[in-house]
Amino acid sequence: QVQLVESGGGVVQPGRSLRLSCVASGFTFSSYGIHWVRQVPGKGLEWVAFIWADGVNKNYADSLRGRFSISRDNSKSTLYLQMDSLRAEDTALYYCARDSLESSYSIDYWGQGTLVTVSS
Amino acid sequence: QSVLTQPPSVSAAPGQKVTISCSGSSSNIGRDYVSWYQQLPGTAPKLLIYDNNKRPSGIPDRFSGSKSGTSATLDITGLQTGDEADYYCGTWDISLSAGVFGGGTKLTVL
Repeated sequence: QVQLVESGGGVVQPGRSLRLSCVASGFTFSSYGIHWVRQVPGKGLEWVAFIWADGVNKNYADSLRGRFSISRDNSKSTLYLQMDSLRAEDTALYYCARDSLESSYSIDYWGQGTLVTVSS
Repeated sequence: QSVLTQPPSVSAAPGQKVTISCSGSSSNIGRDYVSWYQQLPGTAPKLLIYDNNKRPSGIPDRFSGSKSGTSATLDITGLQTGDEADYYCGTWDISLSAGVFGGGTKLTVL
């Protein structure tokens, strides 16, 4: 079955960096685009970034461009999110999520998320 | 402030029908397909509807979606207490070249 398992979250001081990972299994990772979506506890979903299957094309939320960088290693079925110059407002649960091949735009599988807390 | 606008909350009695709206613009809903997600308390979101009105395998036909112009709606009929959750619409915005979500709607089954 499709599984997405995020890791790398934790408590980090403002201004520091953190790299999240997402290991995929149960499907051909190299054939799918993957999203990062975050959610402040108790709040709504916020789309963060998307990387196409080939790993070349990437899209970012305007507000995060320049601080966050998405990448992937298809040989390891792993997605990454490099987060630099972290701010308190980046505190959230970060989900990796698979883009559906069956539609123009939809997310058909989500991981359980990894919590990032930015605090001094 | 979300790009897509949803009502913060809706409520209805068990067995009744509820409609959740999602309003966007010509650069998002007006140009691309809409998907809907259900997030039960303490869990990750789950795909309910894709391509405006298609249901993934396993989603009951009590859930249906539609789109007209720059707005979309999710209908849930035969409400059950287990439907209590947050519901989000989502699509791609071609001007932003980014995914966008609505702010979410909390469904209460009275």
